[in-house]
Amino acid sequence: SQKIEQNSEALNIQEGKTATLTCNYTNYSPAYLQWYRQDPGRGPVFLLLIRENEKEKRKERLKVTFDTTLKQSLFHITASQPADSATYLCALPPSSSSNTGKLIFGQGTTLQVKP
Amino acid sequence: DAGVIQSPRHEVTEMGQEVTLRCKPISGHDYLFWYRQTMMRGLELLIYFNNNVPIDDSGMPEDRFSAKMPNASFSTLKIQPSEPRDSAVYFCASSLTEAYTGELFFGEGSRLTVL
Repeated sequence: SQKIEQNSEALNIQEGKTATLTCNYTNYSPAYLQWYRQDPGRGPVFLLLIRENEKEKRKERLKVTFDTTLKQSLFHITASQPADSATYLCALPPSSSSNTGKLIFGQGTTLQVKP
Repeated sequence: DAGVIQSPRHEVTEMGQEVTLRCKPISGHDYLFWYRQTMMRGLELLIYFNNNVPIDDSGMPEDRFSAKMPNASFSTLKIQPSEPRDSAVYFCASSLTEAYTGELFFGEGSRLTVL
């Protein structure tokens, strides 16, 4: 079955720097991948969706890349701010069939941006 | 729209008691998902519905868990009898389309503690 690996160690960076979070997956390459943000005590909030034919996607200060050869997605936050501190989850379908409607989530990486 | 609404936000109960968690999805969303989140296992999909019909319940841990969606605006997740290992945050999410084309909207979760 598909396995998602996100760095379990918290990422601490200084305000203004670029944060880069990694999502690695095993087995098959998914047709798409999503990134979510989760604040303590809250539900995850969708950030970006990237499909297999898209190498890169941007939204304001966020950038996501999708490398199907490396089986990896990178999530970048440029000019990071303390308000960006949260846990970031990547999610993708559990099988090569993209129409199941299911998403499996990584454990998430906690980002701490220090002022 | 008020978003996905879950109740109760917190529930503390004793082992053996019945627990019922409730969810009101966003109006017009055809898909409803129940997830469970723990520190050890992360965010796990339990079951999902499409147009009120359960599509995949393979994530439901055992017969003690059941979920229903009697109409498009209401779903319940029931645990009977509850056990301490059921302690977790239970999230309900809804989406307009299947996950490969759109985002999931999560509720704020129901934190369950079984003593």
